[in-house]
Amino acid sequence: DAMVIQNPRYQVTQFGKPVTLSCSQTLNHNVMYWYQQKSSQAPKLLFHYYDKDFNNEADTPDNFQSRRPNTSFCFLDIRSPGLGDAAMYLCATSRDWSSQYFGPGTRLTVL
Amino acid sequence: GQQVMQIPQYQHVQEGEDFTTYCNSSTTLSNIQWYKQRPGGHPVFLIQLVKSGEVKKQKRLTFQFGEAKKNSSLHITATQTTDVGTYFCAGRVDSNYQLIWGAGTKLIIKP
Repeated sequence: DAMVIQNPRYQVTQFGKPVTLSCSQTLNHNVMYWYQQKSSQAPKLLFHYYDKDFNNEADTPDNFQSRRPNTSFCFLDIRSPGLGDAAMYLCATSRDWSSQYFGPGTRLTVL
Repeated sequence: GQQVMQIPQYQHVQEGEDFTTYCNSSTTLSNIQWYKQRPGGHPVFLIQLVKSGEVKKQKRLTFQFGEAKKNSSLHITATQTTDVGTYFCAGRVDSNYQLIWGAGTKLIIKP
């Protein structure tokens, strides 16, 4: 089945220790998104790729970076995680600006 | 900035009662999407509304888009335990790719 896959599902890191989250998709969608979602809140868009074009949201901290080496894969790098970065990180894809398909998410814990 | 207000934040209903959540935008929307997020899960796309005054039904769910394309609602008839979760609206403004997410309405079924 076509899907969006995120690894790992759970990630524990130490304060300040870099972490990379991965996302892959078999939908062949040209747009990929990274969202941060905290408890009882709506997903907050961090950035997205439209094809190879990277778009950073204005309020996304510099601590967050992303890479998209090819159509299928996208990575979220958190260079120096702080306690406030503990959250669920959701990857999503879409064909142009149509409906978004979300992966199961990676829950990040920062100790 | 552009906002989509969603109310109520929570709604407790007895199984079999109806449920409604409302979204209001400060600006005219080109379309609005609805997503459902089960507890511990990820958002799942339900539907997109594009036309002024549009009404769409999915079994017990009825979605409406206002005539002015600034408001939308989701109504569930005769709720079931499988309806539990948080319902998000997300609107898109003309000439802007970005989805503006409502805060979500959490549907809780009273035992």
